[in-house]
Amino acid sequence: KQEVTQIPAALSVPEGENLVLNCSFTDSAIYNLQWFRQDPGKGLTSLLLIQSSQREQTSGRLNASLDKSSGRSTLYIAASQPGDSATYLCAGAEYTGNQFYFGTGTSLTVIP
Amino acid sequence: KAGVTQTPRYLIKTRGQQVTLSCSPISGHRSVSWYQQTPGQGLQFLFEYFSETQRNKGNFPGRFSGRQFSNSRSEMNVSTLELGDSALYLCASSFDRGEETQYFGPGTRLLVL
Repeated sequence: KQEVTQIPAALSVPEGENLVLNCSFTDSAIYNLQWFRQDPGKGLTSLLLIQSSQREQTSGRLNASLDKSSGRSTLYIAASQPGDSATYLCAGAEYTGNQFYFGTGTSLTVIP
Repeated sequence: KAGVTQTPRYLIKTRGQQVTLSCSPISGHRSVSWYQQTPGQGLQFLFEYFSETQRNKGNFPGRFSGRQFSNSRSEMNVSTLELGDSALYLCASSFDRGEETQYFGPGTRLLVL
């Protein structure tokens, strides 16, 4: 069974800092990967999707990469803002289909 | 375009009862997946429906069931509720089963007393 670990579990940074969130899968056979954010008591908002033919995706201040050989992904957030405070979750699918295995999440707090 | 909607948003039930949750996907989306989120287990996959057929099923007991209608709306049912079923139930929709972004609804928070 796929296990997904996210490091760190919690992170607190001052506004303006660049930061990196990590995600790793026990089985590196990840077909595609998605990063989400979740605000307290809310559903998930998709941030980036890395499809099977891709290794990296960028959207604004966010950049996500996937190393399939190791089963590791990183989410890079540039120039963090207080509005970035949320829990960030990575999710990977092992084959084309919609069963995603979710990570444990990183709780991010950006201090003004 | 309207997002994924889930009803009801909050629900309180007692042990032994059953519950039905509803999910309306984004217009045009044919795949609907259901997840259970708890503080201890995180997000766990329940099942996925595509064009009214269950395509994938997670490791949950048979008390958890679902279905999808011809308009792609989906329902999930939990029978004989247990305290441990208290959770946030999320559904996600996507256009197809390929490499599509999944869009999540706000969830239904179920509390079992």
